[in-house]
Amino acid sequence: KNQVEQSPQSLIILEGKNCTLQCNYTVSPFSNLRWYKQDTGRGPVSLTIMTFSENTKSNGRYTATLDADTKQSSLHITASQLSDSASYICVVSAGQAGTALIFGKGTTLSVSS
Amino acid sequence: EPEVTQTPSHQVTQMGQEVILRCVPISNHLYFYWYRQILGQKVEFLVSFYNNEISEKSEIFDDQFSVERPDGSNFTLKIRSTKLEDSAMYFCASSGWGIGNEQFFGPGTRLTVL
Repeated sequence: KNQVEQSPQSLIILEGKNCTLQCNYTVSPFSNLRWYKQDTGRGPVSLTIMTFSENTKSNGRYTATLDADTKQSSLHITASQLSDSASYICVVSAGQAGTALIFGKGTTLSVSS
Repeated sequence: EPEVTQTPSHQVTQMGQEVILRCVPISNHLYFYWYRQILGQKVEFLVSFYNNEISEKSEIFDDQFSVERPDGSNFTLKIRSTKLEDSAMYFCASSGWGIGNEQFFGPGTRLTVL
């Protein structure tokens, strides 16, 4: 069964600190892996998309890594800001057409001052 | 900046009634999607739509559900006979050409079935 597991479930950090979120997946056939940010009550917003052949991708203060052999990914946030408080969701694209997205439960990040 | 819009933002209906959720995808996008998120749970894929037909659908997307692109701009999700467990946030998304293209999500419609 296609699954995406994330850890930790929640995280509290001080403003300015760095953090790393983890994702493990068992999805077949694998197309690509995405990280999304979701604010409460809003739609997810894409941060990064990585295909099988990519092992790192950055978007500003967000850096995602992918190890397709071990089926693991991480999202590193540097110099956190209060506005980074949100749910960060690991999403794997699956299915023959590659359009079905399998979502993890997300890591809830709280950044405090 | 172009964005996906959804209407209504909140829909309340009685169990057994039909509802239609509406979405206006980004104008030059070709792929359209519906997702749902039950309160406190993860986002779940329902269906993808391309070239006026369903591309993929999940087990959730049973005969109770249907999608349509009635004109050049709207994309709708119809739930024929709503159940209590259909209460959720429904997100529409769209993407440009290519399977790996970024999906842009709308703000969602919160459906409450009483």
